[in-house]
Amino acid sequence: GAGVSQSPSNKVTEKGKDVELRCDPISGHTALYWYRQSLGQGLEFLIYFQGNSAPDKSGLPSDRFSAERTGGSVSTLTIQRTQQEDSAVYLCASSYYTGRIHNEQFFGPGTRLTVL
Amino acid sequence: AQSVTQPDIHITVSEGASLELRCNYSYGATPYLFWYVQSPGQGLQLLLKYFSGDTLVQGIKGFEAEFKRSQSSFNLRKPSVHWSDAAEYFCAVGAKAGTALIFGKGTTLSVSS
Repeated sequence: GAGVSQSPSNKVTEKGKDVELRCDPISGHTALYWYRQSLGQGLEFLIYFQGNSAPDKSGLPSDRFSAERTGGSVSTLTIQRTQQEDSAVYLCASSYYTGRIHNEQFFGPGTRLTVL
Repeated sequence: AQSVTQPDIHITVSEGASLELRCNYSYGATPYLFWYVQSPGQGLQLLLKYFSGDTLVQGIKGFEAEFKRSQSSFNLRKPSVHWSDAAEYFCAVGAKAGTALIFGKGTTLSVSS
């Protein structure tokens, strides 16, 4: 079946511009995560959505970062006034949520963001 | 707070040789533990996971990992490496259900012929 998809696959922008990154999770997955992968830094958690609950925004690095999830499905990560340090690969993951065990997170291919 | 350490940034192994990638975690209770692999230009793929029970877990592609509570470790092993195993490997720890994973910084595996 279809996996997690992300668009665009690559985004080049100028410093100070806003960008939007999109994630389509696997159908039926109620949990959705955004991570950032910077060179040599591993994966850094950004934000987590679960059903209709308030999102866990504890990983967002600054108020320039925000995300929403519409209709419990598609999610958009927005970065305002981009800075060069925002350059990274942004990964989206989704999973079932059963409330009892930590289910496998399925990752999308990522969006590579380059801020010039 | 949870944390994951992968002490080896880069490892080179000869094709056919055995492999062990190290992972140490910090967490107050029994964690959920994962190993993911990321091939060049690809997304992350789950190799295996540990939740409870048998401390030796088998995964895909011939990988296995052993959970050692006394050492706070979850090392990944493979008895015979293939050239296609060259990739970046990430160890991750999760707390309760529905929380984000904490990842190590990864180990890059190169396979020499």
